[in-house]
Amino acid sequence: DAGVIQSPRHEVTEMGQEVTLRCKPISGHDYLFWYRQTMMRGLELLIYFNNNVPIDDSGMPEDRFSAKMPNASFSTLKIQPSEPRDSAVYFCASSRQGETGELFFGEGSRLTVL
Amino acid sequence: GDSVTQMEGPVTLSEEAFLTINCTYTATGYPSLFWYVQYPGEGLQLLLKATKADDKGSNKGFEATYRKETTSFHLEKGSVQVSDSAVYFCALTDYKLSFGAGTTVTVRA
Repeated sequence: DAGVIQSPRHEVTEMGQEVTLRCKPISGHDYLFWYRQTMMRGLELLIYFNNNVPIDDSGMPEDRFSAKMPNASFSTLKIQPSEPRDSAVYFCASSRQGETGELFFGEGSRLTVL
Repeated sequence: GDSVTQMEGPVTLSEEAFLTINCTYTATGYPSLFWYVQYPGEGLQLLLKATKADDKGSNKGFEATYRKETTSFHLEKGSVQVSDSAVYFCALTDYKLSFGAGTTVTVRA
C-alpha cells in the first residue's frame, strides 16, 4: 500500500514568495494532520482535519498560513508571503477513525526561505 | 493540558549496549501512550504503543510499560545496533497527539 505522499520534498524560495505544500493521505484514513519540525521548537501540530473538515487550527502560526482539504485524497498547506523563519520540515500525517495516536507520516517537505 | 516530558539527549552508545530513554506524562484522564522513531531524512514511524495502565508495548526489541503510579512510559532495548540510531519521540493522546521534544540516539560500532 502507498503511504502518505508529500510534495515537493525540497523547496527553496525567496522571502515574500508563495509556497504550496501538498499531501495525499492514505486511502481510507479519516484524519489528516500537518506538523512543522524545527530544531528550536521540535514538532508542532499546525492543523488537523477530520473527514475533510478543519477541526483545530490553533497551531497555525499566523494568517500567512492556510490549509485546505478539498477532498479525501488531497490537502495543501500554503504560506503567503513566506519568511525566513518559516524554514522547517513540514510533515503531513494521516490516521483512521478511532485510532487517534496511530499516525502515518509522509517523508516531509523541507522548506528553505532565503 | 496533557503533555509528555522525555529525557534530553543526545545519547551516544556502543553497539550491544542497553538503552533507556525516560518519558513521564501529565494527564487529567487516561491517555494512550506511544513511542515514535524518526530515522535520518524520514518521517516519524510508530514504534510501539500502550493503551492502559500496566500494558507493555513492544516492537523490534524495544519495550515500554505504561506505569500509572509513576506516570511513566520509559523506552528500553537490551542490545542496540547501529541501525537503531535515530530520534525517539514519546507521545500521548487524549483527542490529539502531543509529542515530547525527542531524544537523539547515536549507536557507534
